[in-house]
Amino acid sequence: AQSVTQPDIHITVSEGASLELRCNYSYGATPYLFWYVQSPGQGLQLLLKYFSGDTLVQGIKGFEAEFKRSQSSFNLRKPSVHWSDAAEYFCAVGFSNDYKLSFGAGTTVTVRA
Amino acid sequence: GAGVSQSPRYKVAKRGQDVALRCDPISGHVSLFWYQQALGQGPEFLTYFQNEAQLDKSGLPSDRFFAERPEGSVSTLKIQRTQQEDSAVYLCASSPGLAVYNEQFFGPGTRLTVL
Repeated sequence: AQSVTQPDIHITVSEGASLELRCNYSYGATPYLFWYVQSPGQGLQLLLKYFSGDTLVQGIKGFEAEFKRSQSSFNLRKPSVHWSDAAEYFCAVGFSNDYKLSFGAGTTVTVRA
Repeated sequence: GAGVSQSPRYKVAKRGQDVALRCDPISGHVSLFWYQQALGQGPEFLTYFQNEAQLDKSGLPSDRFFAERPEGSVSTLKIQRTQQEDSAVYLCASSPGLAVYNEQFFGPGTRLTVL
């Protein structure tokens, strides 16, 4: 079955430390890949997306993600987290012949002082 | 408004009641999506509109769920005879284009609790 997996349910990181969130997908073709962030009471906000080309993509708020075809992964990274990065993060995939997104279960990030 | 708005933000219903959830997309956006987000899960696709046409309703859990977008703008998701398993956050998203690579802009959601 096609799926998007986010192996880490919850991550706690110290302010100023680096962050990496994992995302794996199992599809036959390379999908379009997205990372969204959801803060409490807010809608999902797009952080970045990958369609083709350079496998390292830059997004908003200092986030970046790297697509690795051999590992079917699209991990999200930030070199130095801020307390405001505490939120839930979702990886999503889509396909060129479709319009809807399929989301992973999400990773909750807690930032400690 | 600048973004997608949804109302009500919170809805408590007794089992068996009908509910209607409203979505106001960003003006001019042709695509509109409804997603259901259960507690601790990611959003799951329910249905898709291109202007007023409902092109995909494959994600609707049962025939108790009904969505419409009669004038190609505001959309309503209706749930008849609500059941406890319908408790979730219902998210609406709109997009300026037709393809998946167009960014979907999400509203804050409606949290439905069925008692």
